[in-house]
Amino acid sequence: DGGITQSPKYLFRKEGQNVTLSCEQNLNHDAMYWYRQDPGQGLRLIYYSQIVNDFQKGDIAEGYSVSREKKESFPLTVTSAQKNPTAFYLCASSPQVANYGYTFGSGTRLTVV
Amino acid sequence: DQQVKQNSPSLSVQEGRISILNCDYTNSMFDYFLWYKKYPAEGPTFLISISSIKDKNEDGRFTVFLNKSAKHLSLHIVPSQPGDSAVYFCAASGGGAQKLVFGQGTRLTINP
Repeated sequence: DGGITQSPKYLFRKEGQNVTLSCEQNLNHDAMYWYRQDPGQGLRLIYYSQIVNDFQKGDIAEGYSVSREKKESFPLTVTSAQKNPTAFYLCASSPQVANYGYTFGSGTRLTVV
Repeated sequence: DQQVKQNSPSLSVQEGRISILNCDYTNSMFDYFLWYKKYPAEGPTFLISISSIKDKNEDGRFTVFLNKSAKHLSLHIVPSQPGDSAVYFCAASGGGAQKLVFGQGTRLTINP
């Protein structure tokens, strides 16, 4: 079945550490996205990529980094510069035009301990 | 600047009655609108969409209405069922742009 796989589902990070969240899709979608969800704040865009080896900052990119070396993969690194990283992270993908809508992964819950 | 707004953070409806979720937008370039449903600790799933050339789209118990002059859309769920309890996000896109702009979400609770 085609879809998006995010791993791990739960992740714990010590303060000062970098962590990488995995996102893999087999839908042959060109575009991929990372969102962060906090209570009462909806979905906020962190980074997005329209094509391999290219990506753009979203609304809240500070403290995050991404790479897009393969069409299927769009990992997100939460760096120590991110002051409040505890959140639910969602990865999504879409065909070239977003009018077809996004397909979302099941999310990763990151907690700083 | 919040281009897509869902002004009601929560809504409580009795089972069997109609649920109406509202969404307002400010960008006149938006020409495609979607509703997503999200359960806790899961990713959002696509529910229903509407193009700006239409003012209504139905899919079973779900109907989306679009009022372009008011820059307003609404999602009607009839009849409401306990499994409809979730957070609902509206989203918009325009001009072939690849980014969807999401509202803040409305938590719908269906009471038995």
